[in-house]
Amino acid sequence: QKEVEQNSGPLSVPEGAIASLNCTYSDRGSQSFFWYRQYSGKSPELIMSIYSNGDKEDGRFTAQLNKASQYVSLLIRDSQPSDSATYLCAVTSGGSYIPTFGRGTSLIVHP
Amino acid sequence: DAGVTQSPTHLIKTRGQQVTLRCSPKSGHDTVSWYQQALGQGPQFIFQYYEEEERQRGNFPDRFSGHQFPNYSSELNVNALLLGDSALYLCASSLKGDWGIQYFGAGTRLSVL
Repeated sequence: QKEVEQNSGPLSVPEGAIASLNCTYSDRGSQSFFWYRQYSGKSPELIMSIYSNGDKEDGRFTAQLNKASQYVSLLIRDSQPSDSATYLCAVTSGGSYIPTFGRGTSLIVHP
Repeated sequence: DAGVTQSPTHLIKTRGQQVTLRCSPKSGHDTVSWYQQALGQGPQFIFQYYEEEERQRGNFPDRFSGHQFPNYSSELNVNALLLGDSALYLCASSLKGDWGIQYFGAGTRLSVL
């Protein structure tokens, strides 16, 4: 069974700090990796996708992928209270391209 | 550009009843997926429809069924409701060839009493 593991948190960081969110996955054949943000009571929205080893930066967000170690991470620089949300890691593998989601990590950015 | 729309937003049913949830995909999208999200959990994949056929199915019983219409909209039907079916039901649309990127609707909150 394909598994995506995340620490449920909450992860609490002060405003302006770097928040680091981690995710591990079980299927070594996984191909595509995504980070979704879900505000309380809302639906998930895609914030980052990454497909190859290394770093991918988009504004204050950086996704990091290490396929050999089977982990993917999301860094949020200069964290803002508006970044407080649950961050879901999703991974696709095989030919189905259906993302398997982790349970999410709750991030709290306090002023 | 209309995003993914779902109806109804909230629904209360009793055990044993049947329910139908509806979804219209984002403009230009041809694929609809349905997810169940329990409180504190990530979305769990129910099934995906493409070209009016069930393309892939997750680990859900046959009480969960669906349909996709020629205009790409979709329905999720759940029969013989159980208390454990209480959850947020999310519809997501995507494009063939880019199925990993899902655009979610606001969801339908189903409560089974």
